Amino acid sequence: AAGVIQSPRHLIKEKRETATLKCYPIPRHDTVYWYQQGPGQDPQFLISFYEKMQSDKGSIPDRFSAQQFSDYHSELNMSSLELGDSALYFCASSLFGVPYEQYFGPGTRLTVT
Amino acid sequence: DAKTTQPPSMDCAEGRAANLPCNHSTISGNEYVYWYRQIHSQGPQYIIHGLKNNETNEMASLIITEDRKSSTLILPHATLRDTAVYYCIGLIYNFNKFYFGSGTKLNVKP
Repeated sequence: AAGVIQSPRHLIKEKRETATLKCYPIPRHDTVYWYQQGPGQDPQFLISFYEKMQSDKGSIPDRFSAQQFSDYHSELNMSSLELGDSALYFCASSLFGVPYEQYFGPGTRLTVT
Repeated sequence: DAKTTQPPSMDCAEGRAANLPCNHSTISGNEYVYWYRQIHSQGPQYIIHGLKNNETNEMASLIITEDRKSSTLILPHATLRDTAVYYCIGLIYNFNKFYFGSGTKLNVKP
């Protein structure tokens, strides 16, 4: 069965650079979620989208922005990167109306040096 | 959102049942209990959810006390691949963001 695809899987950036993470949800899933997991920490909800509209917002820094496109894929844009942004970034998708069953991707490991 | 409390770690012998407890004494009447797990550095995986009745699926069983203040996730025959952090989350149904707490690190040993 098709799963959530995230790219790239690994990314190394320097401080103050920008990064773009991409997420391709499971076919027919219309809702996308982004989570950040720092080293040794639990996943933290950042933001979610349904039908290209932002549906909910968590602890997402102002330096980060995200959007969902007409094909339902989503991108997380991160600017002015800081060392503390180094983390695993997970994307998850679900069907609207079934938000409890979120399918997570393998994650993008971002390292900021 | 209901505050949930879980033990930080538990051990279980391979092939035995793993019983993972969760306290959610502040849960409200319309909040469900959800269980997810995260195998090392992989994305969290949905296991099961319930409101007040016990639930069972191909992965696990969920036992919720009558007063709904606590629940237990049961993995009937734990394998080494079940070693993971297990998260119990209390949330209103159709509320589309999860706040993962500290979870229980389950170590399944041969």
